[in-house]
Amino acid sequence: DADVTQTPRNRITKTGKRIMLECSQTKGHDRMYWYRQDPGLGLRLIYYSFDVKDINKGEISDGYSVSRQAQAKFSLSLESAIPNQTALYFCATSDHRGGADGYTFGSGTRLTVV
Amino acid sequence: AQSVTQLGSHVSVSEGALVLLRCNYSSSVPPYLFWYVQYPNQGLQLLLKYTTGATLVKGINGFEAEFKKSETSFHLTKPSAHMSDAAEYFCAVRGDTGGFKTIFGAGTRLFVKA
Repeated sequence: DADVTQTPRNRITKTGKRIMLECSQTKGHDRMYWYRQDPGLGLRLIYYSFDVKDINKGEISDGYSVSRQAQAKFSLSLESAIPNQTALYFCATSDHRGGADGYTFGSGTRLTVV
Repeated sequence: AQSVTQLGSHVSVSEGALVLLRCNYSSSVPPYLFWYVQYPNQGLQLLLKYTTGATLVKGINGFEAEFKKSETSFHLTKPSAHMSDAAEYFCAVRGDTGGFKTIFGAGTRLFVKA
């Protein structure tokens, strides 16, 4: 099984719908992150969590919310999806040293909002 | 604050030729530097990292990178490209503030011609 699992892998949803992307990890890492990837823009940080009670906004948090249900689970929600949220979304984890050994990424969720 | 610049959004090489992907960073503290690779339809995978010590670091699949403090560079090289190296490559630096979050470059897509 993968260290970081994202579900679903692909999703098409309609404008205005609420959607949740889920992430679970078996690395035992404290820190979890949600990124979106758009062509030519690299990875942009949406939200991050250093532990279950510590959740922080990233550079592009508007229109998104998150929930850290347990150390191993970190979900991203789009309350009312809009077409410009069409992107590839990645969950990542790192240890308490902030990724001194690098991040571990999930395989991504490709979201299309129509 | 840290930043990462990858020179060239696309690089094309012939099979067997040298691969050189350029990365420059800015950091107010000794940096931790990383290269990640993303194959189609997959998440990012750590290729190699520099933390301290030897400035030439070796990674998976024959890649290596050299940390040059005077040039604030961390270029990625491989002596002989294979078709399987075609992917997107991201340079990254661990931040020195905000909980040491990693900052990613915009990525360089490598094309390998037969």
